[in-house]
Amino acid sequence: EVQLLESGGGLVQPGGSLRLSCAASGFTFSNYAMSWVRQAPGKGLEWVSAISGSSGTIDYADSVRGRFTNSRDNSKNTLYLQMNTLRVEDTAIYYCAKGWAEYNSGRFDYWGQGTLVTVSS
Amino acid sequence: SYVLTQPPSVSVAPGQTARITCGGDNIGRKSVHWYQQKPGQAPVLVIYDEHNRPSGIPERFSGSNSGNTATLTISRVEVGDEADYFCQVWHSTTVPFGGGTKMTVL
Repeated sequence: EVQLLESGGGLVQPGGSLRLSCAASGFTFSNYAMSWVRQAPGKGLEWVSAISGSSGTIDYADSVRGRFTNSRDNSKNTLYLQMNTLRVEDTAIYYCAKGWAEYNSGRFDYWGQGTLVTVSS
Repeated sequence: SYVLTQPPSVSVAPGQTARITCGGDNIGRKSVHWYQQKPGQAPVLVIYDEHNRPSGIPERFSGSNSGNTATLTISRVEVGDEADYFCQVWHSTTVPFGGGTKMTVL
């Protein structure tokens, strides 16, 4: 059974940093691209970043490029999102989502339950 | 950027058919995926590559895609289908989502 468990969310002041983790199990982690998708309170889904299985390709949304860093440790079956220079508008539930192939493309066939990030003074 | 446009809401009676559209420039040339999200839960993939259903998704869920519009069709709607629905594509190196459609089962 595929499981994705996010952690690391919390309350942070504007300009601060936070590191999210997503622990994966139930599949061969290194064989699949992974993404972060966020959802602001009461709003729709917004893709944040994708990383290929080998970490060879990492894509970012314009809204986070230069501030967020997506990475993975295939030996630990864990995905990370380092978030710096956080803004109030980054407040959201952050989901990790499994891609359907090794490369960044296509659908997200499994999602974690999400971790809430609140940016506020 | 590539924009996907969905109606904010649709309403349907139990047993009827719901159709949720997703508009985009030449979206018919792209692979479209649909997600269902119930309150307080993570999204669930219900249709991928226009019309394919993941394991465990009822046959009542189907999809089509042509021209500038993709459509998610839910037949014989049940109360349990009440949820938000999002379309998604991959465009260049980005992943647009539609704004979401809240489906209410009257």
